[in-house]
Amino acid sequence: NAGVTQTPKFRILKIGQSMTLQCTQDMNHNYMYWYRQDPGMGLKLIYYSVGAGITDKGEVPNGYNVSRSTTEDFPLRLELAAPSQTSVYFCASSLRLFEDGPTVGELFFGEGSRLTVL
Amino acid sequence: RKEVEQDPGPFNVPEGATVAFNCTYSNSASQSFFWYRQDCRKEPKLLMSVYSSGNEDGRFTAQLNRASQYISLLIRDSKLSDSATYLCVVKGPSQAGTALIFGKGTTLSVSS
Repeated sequence: NAGVTQTPKFRILKIGQSMTLQCTQDMNHNYMYWYRQDPGMGLKLIYYSVGAGITDKGEVPNGYNVSRSTTEDFPLRLELAAPSQTSVYFCASSLRLFEDGPTVGELFFGEGSRLTVL
Repeated sequence: RKEVEQDPGPFNVPEGATVAFNCTYSNSASQSFFWYRQDCRKEPKLLMSVYSSGNEDGRFTAQLNRASQYISLLIRDSKLSDSATYLCVVKGPSQAGTALIFGKGTTLSVSS
């Protein structure tokens, strides 16, 4: 029962390098999200997707790109890494957007990817 | 006023204690409310949803006060395993993925 799987778990990048954080879920969820969490801060939404082929910006999209070619996969691309992108990145998925009801729309998170840009 | 505010703590309590966390939100049109738990260096996980009438799950009780725009989480008979950061999550009226707002979290440390 894998749930949401993120890779890599840890990565150190040099300024200006690029990389892709992989995220895959096996729960057949339509909605997928990428968040970043900085120390002492709440999770900030980077991008989200409501289904294959559909993506939209969140609160902090600059410096990132996403694609959603399948229901299962939602990779996050960092172009020209900067020290400000040092953070913990969480991918999440949900069956549908939150509605009233018990645990409807619960977010399932991956274990996180710790990225350091030096 | 920030969208979702929580007292960061830390709350340091002995085993068996009762502890309460509050969370305030700024958008009166917010629709749904949740508490997530995040262990150190782990991912957040849903602890419980918060309903208008209040709800209880074992030692945990969640309350919503729409008039004052706050939600609370009460933990009774604290266990060492309750040590974690508790995130308040509020869903605004938007149906977009940006509707969810996370608080910064309240850290609880339970000691023996």
